[in-house]
Amino acid sequence: EDQVTQSPEALRLQEGESSSLNCSYTVSGLRGLFWYRQDPGKGPEFLFTLYSAGEEKEKERLKATLTKKESFLHITAPKPEDSATYLCAVGDNTDKLIFGTGTRLQVFP
Amino acid sequence: NAGVTQTPKFQVLKTGQSMTLQCAQDMNHEYMSWYRQDPGMGLRLIHYSVGAGITDQGEVPNGYNVSRSTTEDFPLRLLSAAPSQTSVYFCASSYSVGYGYTFGSGTRLTVV
Repeated sequence: EDQVTQSPEALRLQEGESSSLNCSYTVSGLRGLFWYRQDPGKGPEFLFTLYSAGEEKEKERLKATLTKKESFLHITAPKPEDSATYLCAVGDNTDKLIFGTGTRLQVFP
Repeated sequence: NAGVTQTPKFQVLKTGQSMTLQCAQDMNHEYMSWYRQDPGMGLRLIHYSVGAGITDQGEVPNGYNVSRSTTEDFPLRLLSAAPSQTSVYFCASSYSVGYGYTFGSGTRLTVV
């Protein structure tokens, strides 16, 4: 059975304090590892897709990396506007997209 | 280009009532899915479809029905609402599971 576990559940950072979010997974036939951002009261917003171990993607202050068992979302010098819940998901070989429970990030000025 | 449109945005039902949550996309996506989001439990897959006429169950399908008669529409039916179905429901679509899904803005459902 596919499983996605995210840690920590919540993270409080000072503005400019870099950190990483973790997503560990087990999946039947990985079709992609996805990162989303979700703001309160809104639907998830797509950030990155990673397909194979060793792959990396970057967008502004965010960088996602992938190994065979986990993915990291690195946040460099975060700003208050980076505050959101970050969701990790995996697509499997039965065409399902399974999500973790998310990491709630708060960045304080 | 509207993306994924969900209606209604808010709904209150009485226990035992039935209703349909609407989802439409205008991106010609084959893949569509319904999720529910509850505090502390993340997004859980209810039903999904890989094309018109094809649907399958996700993690939490009980109490919900779906059909996919067109590429654009993927309605979710609650047959007899229960308080345990109080949640925020999201519809999403994509070209395939290997691409990023686009999500709607959600329907907040309360069953009393």
